[in-house]
Amino acid sequence: EAQVTQNPRYLITVTGKKLTVTCSQNMNHEYMSWYRQDPGLGLRQIYYSMNVEVTDKGDVPEGYKVSRKEKRNFPLILESPSPNQTSLYFCASSRGTNNEQFFGPGTRLTVL
Amino acid sequence: RKEVEQDPGPFNVPEGATVAFNCTYSNSASQSFFWYRQDCRKEPKLLMSVYSSGNEDGRFTAQLNRASQYISLLIRDSKLSDSATYLCVVAHSNYGGATNKLIFGTGTLLAVQP
Repeated sequence: EAQVTQNPRYLITVTGKKLTVTCSQNMNHEYMSWYRQDPGLGLRQIYYSMNVEVTDKGDVPEGYKVSRKEKRNFPLILESPSPNQTSLYFCASSRGTNNEQFFGPGTRLTVL
Repeated sequence: RKEVEQDPGPFNVPEGATVAFNCTYSNSASQSFFWYRQDCRKEPKLLMSVYSSGNEDGRFTAQLNRASQYISLLIRDSKLSDSATYLCVVAHSNYGGATNKLIFGTGTLLAVQP
């Protein structure tokens, strides 16, 4: 089944404790991205990747890192999480930005 | 000004009604346009792409007006199952080439009442 998976789905952590949210797709897509969704602000792009080893900042990259060592995986890293990073996070993949974005199920992160 | 703006709603309509949503975008170089649907606490899913000549998919019709920089979504014969948030999405390029950036509107909430 074609899909985008994210783990964990839910996470409660404390300020400053490094964490990684994994994202994996099995559709051989080149384009992958991370979004956060907050009430009243909609989906905002954090980082995106056009292909392996090619990443770029989105609209809200501060406090986040990503890597794209393999085509299928695009992990999101929070080196030192802060409470303002409490949000719902979505990973997405597609053949390109002109194509349908396939979203993962979301990761609900709470930073205390 | 936001790059993509939508009326947040909610739009409360009875079953069978026709409802229309508009979305405006600020970047005249935007190249691709989409409507996504998002159910509560779920991931967004593509509803339809929006083409320059307008396009229809069953009860859904999407239109693009480049001169005025807005796109619209029309839903005819609303069903209870149409209740969701509808996201307007615009793609453009940061570097003048192929599109590489997607901008999402904050969404319009539709509630279809029995």
